[in-house]
Amino acid sequence: ILNVEQSPQSLHVQEGDSTNFTCSFPSSNFYALHWYRWETAKSPEALFVMTLNGDEKKKGRISATLNTKEGYSYLYIKGSQPEDSATYLCASMNSGGYQKVTFGTGTKLQVIP
Amino acid sequence: EPEVTQTPSHQVTQMGQEVILRCVPISNHLYFYWYRQILGQKVEFLVSFYNNEISEKSEIFDDQFSVERPDGSNFTLKIRSTKLEDSAMYFCASSGSTGWGTQYFGPGTRLLVL
Repeated sequence: ILNVEQSPQSLHVQEGDSTNFTCSFPSSNFYALHWYRWETAKSPEALFVMTLNGDEKKKGRISATLNTKEGYSYLYIKGSQPEDSATYLCASMNSGGYQKVTFGTGTKLQVIP
Repeated sequence: EPEVTQTPSHQVTQMGQEVILRCVPISNHLYFYWYRQILGQKVEFLVSFYNNEISEKSEIFDDQFSVERPDGSNFTLKIRSTKLEDSAMYFCASSGSTGWGTQYFGPGTRLLVL
């Protein structure tokens, strides 16, 4: 059973602050790493899919990096806004079951105006 | 913008009853998934489906579960004899032409087994 961990579990930041959180995943047989943004009462929304070591992806004020050798990914939010408040999920796909997705528990972000 | 839809949004059933959860994936997508989230727990992978057959399934997806794509648009999850512990939010997702690519989630079906 793969173990995908996210930290912190939750955090509160002031509007305008930048923040980041971590996803760690098994580095063996790695295939892809997904980040999702999940607002309350909605469905998870895909942010990024990363596959290569050193990948960096950016979408507006949100960016992510990937280190497949050590098994971690960082998600960064620059200048947090109240609308960024959500749970951010990462999910790992490892080959030998490459479509079998293992989710982390998520990081719940609250941006205080 | 195309989206994944799911019906019903909520379902209440008695233990031992069969339920069918329905999903309409995005029309040109080739890979389909079911996930569930029991309240307070992680989102869990159940099954992936490609080319009209199951491509991966988790330990949760036992003989009580089955999936079908009956008509080229719907993708269904059947639970034959529901248990109390099947109470969860069930999400369907679909992705395009690669099995590892971006997955688009539906709004979920909240299943309550009494």
